[in-house]
Amino acid sequence: DTGVSQDPRHKITKRGQNVTFRCDPISEHNRLYWYRQTLGQGPEFLTYFQNEAQLEKSRLLSDRFSAERPKGSFSTLEIQRTEQGDSAMYLCASSLFSGSYYEQYFGPGTRLTVT
Amino acid sequence: QQQVKQSPQSLIVQKGGISIINCAYENTAFDYFPWYQQFPGKGPALLIAIRPDVSEKKEGRFTISFNKSAKQFSLHIMDSQPGDSATYFCAAANQAGTALIFGKGTTLSVSS
Repeated sequence: DTGVSQDPRHKITKRGQNVTFRCDPISEHNRLYWYRQTLGQGPEFLTYFQNEAQLEKSRLLSDRFSAERPKGSFSTLEIQRTEQGDSAMYLCASSLFSGSYYEQYFGPGTRLTVT
Repeated sequence: QQQVKQSPQSLIVQKGGISIINCAYENTAFDYFPWYQQFPGKGPALLIAIRPDVSEKKEGRFTISFNKSAKQFSLHIMDSQPGDSATYFCAAANQAGTALIFGKGTTLSVSS
């Protein structure tokens, strides 16, 4: 039984560079979510997909952020022109309807450091 | 505006004791309330979740108590163990399957 996987686990980049993260959800999970977590805080919702459709985006997701989920399988999150304020843990979660609600299962996260 | 308020920020409990973490929410449209456990450097792991149509749910040593009228819910960890030392987050969603709104977390330390 494979859980949610994320790649890379750590990324160090210089301010102004573009970065891309990948998330592979649990097989057959039709919903995929992206969250951001800064030190000492709870995860904050960024966006989510049902299959390949992006259904909701947070106001936290500025124009520099873009997410895709081609063919409803893996997803990528790209940050353009990174800023120091983008330094955070980026978490991916996936879910499948289970009885009366969707249970979201998180991956290990990608730790981004912008220098 | 923080929609889910969690307390305490940190908690120290003796081995074998009961750990209690509380959360309060504002949005009456929330209808799904999970708890997550997170170890350093790891992603949050789903522990237990409840819907507002029940007042209590128990799974092993973990129990959620839910008070709809007070808009509060809490996590009780019975017989706390050193391995339970982690950060715990409550969360809420206004429709199952959409964005989770998380509390700020409680760092639990269980001393042996």
